[in-house]
Amino acid sequence: VQLVQSGAEVRKPGASVRVSCKASGYTFTIYDIHWVRQATGQGLEWMGWLNPKTGDAGYAQKFQGRVTITRNPSIRTAYLDLSSLRSDDTAVYYCARGVALSGDYMQDYWGQGTQVTVSS
Amino acid sequence: EIVMTQSPATLSVSPGERATLSCRASQSVTRNLAWYQQKPGQAPRLVIYGVSTRATGIPARFSGSGSGTEFTLTISSLQPEDFAVYYCQQYNDWPPNSFGPGTKLEIK
Repeated sequence: VQLVQSGAEVRKPGASVRVSCKASGYTFTIYDIHWVRQATGQGLEWMGWLNPKTGDAGYAQKFQGRVTITRNPSIRTAYLDLSSLRSDDTAVYYCARGVALSGDYMQDYWGQGTQVTVSS
Repeated sequence: EIVMTQSPATLSVSPGERATLSCRASQSVTRNLAWYQQKPGQAPRLVIYGVSTRATGIPARFSGSGSGTEFTLTISSLQPEDFAVYYCQQYNDWPPNSFGPGTKLEIK
């Protein structure tokens, strides 16, 4: 199992960014994809999730209206789109596979992270 | 929204000793709690799920306990590779799939 994310991005305030997460080694449509971010020196912040089979997505209230998570099953890739970027959106963004197992749920595999820097 | 808290923020322990990390939920998450380990410059790694089930490849010195709102991660006989930041996460009621703020386990 591997999740490989796109490379670092630099954007100006007010712009948008797309981060991709390409899955391999498993059936893409069976497991959820989550997005989690981490500002430098800070903790993990859960942003949202995607059901790759249906395309259904859910978001943390903090990001509602600014974030969209989508996928292209034909290329086993999930996307995080974040708009109206601010300086405090500067962070490493991770995708992770969400697995349901016997009533439990976890993020068992993670991408390598994508640095997004928002600066004028 | 369930809010997760962790204590202490930093824990200093000598190699070979035991470390006990705490996690509290603002409301019951029953047994739907996971722990993740993160080392500098790396992605988080799943350590424990379902309060006490070790993830694949996690050594037996890691154990978890608790239910409802109070949880503990114990690492017996700390090894050099165990020093990292540990996060708890609830999955009882989501979104959001909220994390705690983390406990940094450092070498004393």
